Order: sequence, then C-alpha cells, then structure tokens
Amino acid sequence: EPEVTQTPSHQVTQMGQEVILRCVPISNHLYFYWYRQILGQKVEFLVSFYNNEISEKSEIFDDQFSVERPDGSNFTLKIRSTKLEDSAMYFCASSEEAGGSTDTQYFGPGTRLTVL
Amino acid sequence: RKEVEQDPGPFNVPEGATVAFNCTYSNSASQSFFWYRQDCRKEPKLLMSVYSSGNEDGRFTAQLNRASQYISLLIRDSKLSDSATYLCVVIEGWNNNDMRFGAGTRLTVKP
Repeated sequence: EPEVTQTPSHQVTQMGQEVILRCVPISNHLYFYWYRQILGQKVEFLVSFYNNEISEKSEIFDDQFSVERPDGSNFTLKIRSTKLEDSAMYFCASSEEAGGSTDTQYFGPGTRLTVL
Repeated sequence: RKEVEQDPGPFNVPEGATVAFNCTYSNSASQSFFWYRQDCRKEPKLLMSVYSSGNEDGRFTAQLNRASQYISLLIRDSKLSDSATYLCVVIEGWNNNDMRFGAGTRLTVKP
C-alpha cells in the first residue's frame, strides 16, 4: 500500500539554526500538508500546498517557515531560525483532492524536531 | 478560534465492552468529518470518514448530527488493540483542506 514517507525520523538542532524536513507524498496525490504536534498537545495545521503554491496557512506558519516542492516527488518544510518552541513532531500528509470523496489525508510517520 | 472538542477521557474499559466517544464542532460550515486513531508517538491514521447518514465499518459506527454539530464514534466488542487516542477531525468548507483536530480521547482496553 502506498504511503507517505518522511526523513529524518529525528532531528536535533541548536536554536537559531535552519532545518529542512523532507517528505515524499503518495505518488498520485496532488495536495500536500504539514502539521505539527507539540508533545502532549493536539495536532495543528501549518500549511497546505497545491499546484506549486501555498493554498492555505495557519497563524503558526509565519515568515520563519517555508515549503517547497523541489522536484516531482519531494515536499519540504524549512524552518529558517529555529526556536525552542519549535520542538515538536512534524507530520506531512497528502491527499488526492481537497473536498469530496477523495479528500482523505494520509499522514507520514513524522519527524521529531528537538531544538536545544 | 473555531474549536473541535472531544470527551477528555481517559476511558478504561474491559475487553468486549462497548464504548462511545463524542465530539462537537463549532463551525456550522464544516463539510467533512473523520475519526483518526493515534498510537503513542505515531502518526494519525484514518479510522473512518463520517457521513451524514451514519456509517459502519465492522465494530465501528460513526454518526453525524449536523443540526447539533455533533459527531460520535461507537466501538463494539472492544479489543486490546483498540487502545489508542481517538481524534475527531473536521474540515471546514469545500475548498478548505485545513483539518482541525480535537485534542483526542484516550482509550485503554484491559484484559
């Protein structure tokens, strides 16, 4: 069964450093998403991406964050200057469509980001 | 901020029990509804979509009441493997793929 993959599984970084989290969505999916989950808290939407541009973003997704689809398979989340409060599990997800019967989002296993 | 609220839990039930979870959402324009399950330190995995007519998948039954803005999940004959956190998820709007998650309800099924 096709699945979303993410690398690395765990990233440790120093405050102020840039990190890039990588995702390979399911191959026939057109919509891509990033979510985060701070330990012990709920999953929070960050951004959605379609047709090579951001379609929506939350208030969490400020200028420190950016997303890119550098090639036909990868989807990346960059945090420019990490803060302690960026420590969380970051989940990538993808769906065939948005809205309708094929809008189900499938999640990758996540990247645990630890900012020291 | 629009909210998705769930029973706080935790629910501790014996094997074979029937357990029900409730969820309310505040945005009446919400269009799509799901139950996901999340095991400890793992990703959310789709359990089932929730349709207006209600739907069943084996031991799991989901109901949606749009008038009351209420979603439920019923698990019959619970198994040890059902132990997880159950997440109520709502998408607001047809062209809006921003999923709003509830905080989750923790279920532990004991032998």
